[in-house]
Amino acid sequence: DQQVKQNSPSLSVQEGRISILNCDYTNSMFDYFLWYKKYPAEGPTFLISISSIKDKNEDGRFTVFLNKSAKHLSLHIVPSQPGDSAVYFCAATSGGSNYKLTFGKGTLLTVNP
Amino acid sequence: DAGVIQSPRHEVTEMGQEVTLRCKPISGHNSLFWYRQTMMRGLELLIYFNNNVPIDDSGMPEDRFSAKMPNASFSTLKIQPSEPRDSAVYFCASRHGKGAVGANVLTFGAGSRLTVL
Repeated sequence: DQQVKQNSPSLSVQEGRISILNCDYTNSMFDYFLWYKKYPAEGPTFLISISSIKDKNEDGRFTVFLNKSAKHLSLHIVPSQPGDSAVYFCAATSGGSNYKLTFGKGTLLTVNP
Repeated sequence: DAGVIQSPRHEVTEMGQEVTLRCKPISGHNSLFWYRQTMMRGLELLIYFNNNVPIDDSGMPEDRFSAKMPNASFSTLKIQPSEPRDSAVYFCASRHGKGAVGANVLTFGAGSRLTVL
């Protein structure tokens, strides 16, 4: 049973436009959400996170939105740049002493010049 | 800081051979995680340690897999005997567990790509 789902395996956008990556989760115990970016032959790197007490977190060109009622979060990248081309993973955890970070399968973003 | 260091980066072996993957976490981080990435299952957690003690190994696929953390600066993931279906990229990650963000953010190594023929 996949608790974190990224239903779009890939996304292609033009440079300068907005990229929107989506993620859905099923476990209502999740209270902290993260986005990771992964380039080929490298490990995932942390990008941005959000706690369930918030509905938005912004860091430069990157904004994460959380809709708890819909169990949905999204990552917005504005403006998109060719260097943003990578696989983006959504992840979630319920924190606490039994820490586990559950990942989605990822979305490959391609930003075309 | 050199980050999380994994070795080997690539390993090609034959079915039935023993495979040992190694990880050096970031100094001062008190939790260490082993993940496996495949096309079918994405990134899945195999096992994690807190202060060198295994906390949750429910993701370890079967008895052929074992992991140890003899001290705070070293961990191994062993597969014996290896099978073709074990072919994947194995990532090690660590976290320092302090603060609102540090408690939840993992820092990953570059991964070890394993191919079992």
